[in-house]
Amino acid sequence: QKEVEQDPGPLSVPEGAIVSLNCTYSNSAFQYFMWYRQYSRKGPELLMYTYSSGNKEDGRFTAQVDKSSKYISLFIRDSQPSDSATYLCAMRQGNYGQNFVFGPGTRLSVLP
Amino acid sequence: NAGVTQTPKFQVLKTGQSMTLQCAQDMNHEYMSWYRQDPGMGLRLIHYSVGAGITDQGEVPNGYNVSRSTTEDFPLRLLSAAPSQTSVYFCASSYSRGEMNTEAFFGQGTRLTVV
Repeated sequence: QKEVEQDPGPLSVPEGAIVSLNCTYSNSAFQYFMWYRQYSRKGPELLMYTYSSGNKEDGRFTAQVDKSSKYISLFIRDSQPSDSATYLCAMRQGNYGQNFVFGPGTRLSVLP
Repeated sequence: NAGVTQTPKFQVLKTGQSMTLQCAQDMNHEYMSWYRQDPGMGLRLIHYSVGAGITDQGEVPNGYNVSRSTTEDFPLRLLSAAPSQTSVYFCASSYSRGEMNTEAFFGQGTRLTVV
């Protein structure tokens, strides 16, 4: 079993839809959770960063963490064609080193 | 402010050749790392460094060497290229804010093909 699982998609939705992207993980020691967006042939860029459980909102994006279920989600409201990208979840145990663990990514297409 | 700069952007190598992928950051970040990204595998950590003169292995270190002589630069060396090293390579840097090691800032990637 991979440490972080993510449905690879592709996921196609119409413009304006609410998108739900999810990751599950097996290591209960993970405390820091991140979502990255990666456009084709570009490096990943950070979207959301949360610590421990709970929700965090930033504009059209909401990140949720449920540590009891080892499950994290990213919601995109009013999705736009410019949101078409691959979304990577990442997580980390502690505050040292570079021990980020990434999911394989979900490819999202928002159709105009 | 250029962020994280990787060179070259594209490279084709023959099996057995060696090369160095360059990575430089101008944000004075302590932490730097190298990942490879393969379809369906996500980003996998190759090597990382927590400061000048300090490096350590990640998940997939075999066939790669690193050194960190300055804060700014973190080159990745392929010793004897193999087709299994065909991948997209990303360099990243991050910094500590109090007790938190913040998110990684990524370069634009190097697409490497080994034939």
